Amino acid sequence: EDQVTQSPEALRLQEGESSSLNCSYTVSGLRGLFWYRQDPGKGPEFLFTLYSAGEEKEKERLKATLTKKESFLHITAPKPEDSATYLCAVQAAGGSYIPTFGRGTSLIVHP
Amino acid sequence: DGGITQSPKYLFRKEGQNVTLSCEQNLNHDAMYWYRQDPGQGLRLIYYSQIVNDFQKGDIAEGYSVSREKKESFPLTVTSAQKNPTAFYLCASRSPGDGAGNTIYFGEGSWLTVV
Repeated sequence: EDQVTQSPEALRLQEGESSSLNCSYTVSGLRGLFWYRQDPGKGPEFLFTLYSAGEEKEKERLKATLTKKESFLHITAPKPEDSATYLCAVQAAGGSYIPTFGRGTSLIVHP
Repeated sequence: DGGITQSPKYLFRKEGQNVTLSCEQNLNHDAMYWYRQDPGQGLRLIYYSQIVNDFQKGDIAEGYSVSREKKESFPLTVTSAQKNPTAFYLCASRSPGDGAGNTIYFGEGSWLTVV
């Protein structure tokens, strides 16, 4: 059974204090790993897809990396507007394309 | 703009009532999904449809029903058999494999509250 574990569950940072969110996964062959941002009361917003170990993608202050067992979402010099819940999901090779989601990391950035 | 539209944003259900949540997409995606989100539990799959006129149960289908008569539309009915329907409901669709990499995109969600 595919599993996704995100840590920490909650993270508080000061503005400008860089940090990383972790997504550990177990899957029988990885088709893709996805990162989403979710603001309170809204649907998840797609950020990145990573396909193979060693791959990296960046968007503004966010950088996602992938190994064979985990992915990191690095946040450089965060701003209060980066406050949100960040969700990770994995999609297994073969099968029905249905992703398995982690429970998310709630990030609060204080000014 | 292309996207997924869910309506209504807020819905109140009385005990014993069936209610239907609407989901429409203009992304030309074949596959569509319904998820339920409760605090601290993450996203749970209710139903999914890979193609028109076909749908499959997800992990928590009991008390829910769906139809997929058109490619653009995937409505979810929450029946009176669903004993704890108060939750945030998310509709999603999946891009095809070439290029966009099977990415799942979400609508803005619908809040359902039992009164």
